[in-house]
Amino acid sequence: IQMTQSPSLLSASVGDRVTLSCKAGQNINNYLAWYQQKLGEAPKLLIYNANSLQTGIPSRFSGSGSGTDFTLTISSLQPEDVATYFCQQYNSWYTFGAGTKLELK
Amino acid sequence: QVQLQQSGAELVKPGSSVKISCKASGYTFTSYDMHWIKQQPGNGLEWIGWIYPGNGNTKYNQKFNGKATLTADKSSSTAYMQLSSLTSEDSAVYFCARFGYGLDAWGQGASVTVSS
Repeated sequence: IQMTQSPSLLSASVGDRVTLSCKAGQNINNYLAWYQQKLGEAPKLLIYNANSLQTGIPSRFSGSGSGTDFTLTISSLQPEDVATYFCQQYNSWYTFGAGTKLELK
Repeated sequence: QVQLQQSGAELVKPGSSVKISCKASGYTFTSYDMHWIKQQPGNGLEWIGWIYPGNGNTKYNQKFNGKATLTADKSSSTAYMQLSSLTSEDSAVYFCARFGYGLDAWGQGASVTVSS
């Protein structure tokens, strides 16, 4: 199942509300996760099952969507949120999107 | 706490093989699938396959059939991935990751560089 993320690069200011998109090539029954990867580190799970917040992740992160269209929202961007964000489907095998790189404006 | 500790960086010659380890702690090793993921510099994440240490069952991305072999040692709570017939295309960082709801714990990554 192909996963398409947009945009590939996003510039935003501290305090902004940021929205990242992930579209699946077919219905994935909400079996979608979001990961944050900072430079030189392993990815970290933020959201699973499309909208469930992983333990220990700040509440400014949220996930939404269903079927084929999904969104990761950061309600108020913080400097430490600069990273690349990947979505992953696990409905049928496992595939990742190409990522959205989030930088500070 | 859940921890996955991977082996160190490897510099290997084309045509050779390499075996990467991933030692798990802080949870019941035999109760969770262990996945392996490839990341080339500047690139995204590519799923290689998983192993269920409880019974040794494996599933592979078709692209990595014949390239990657996943095994697990229950006695030491360690998962392994062997990569064979290495080429420059195999130069990458390889991660192990536990699958709970999503990949909820990751190793720090093991860098493999294929060069003569």
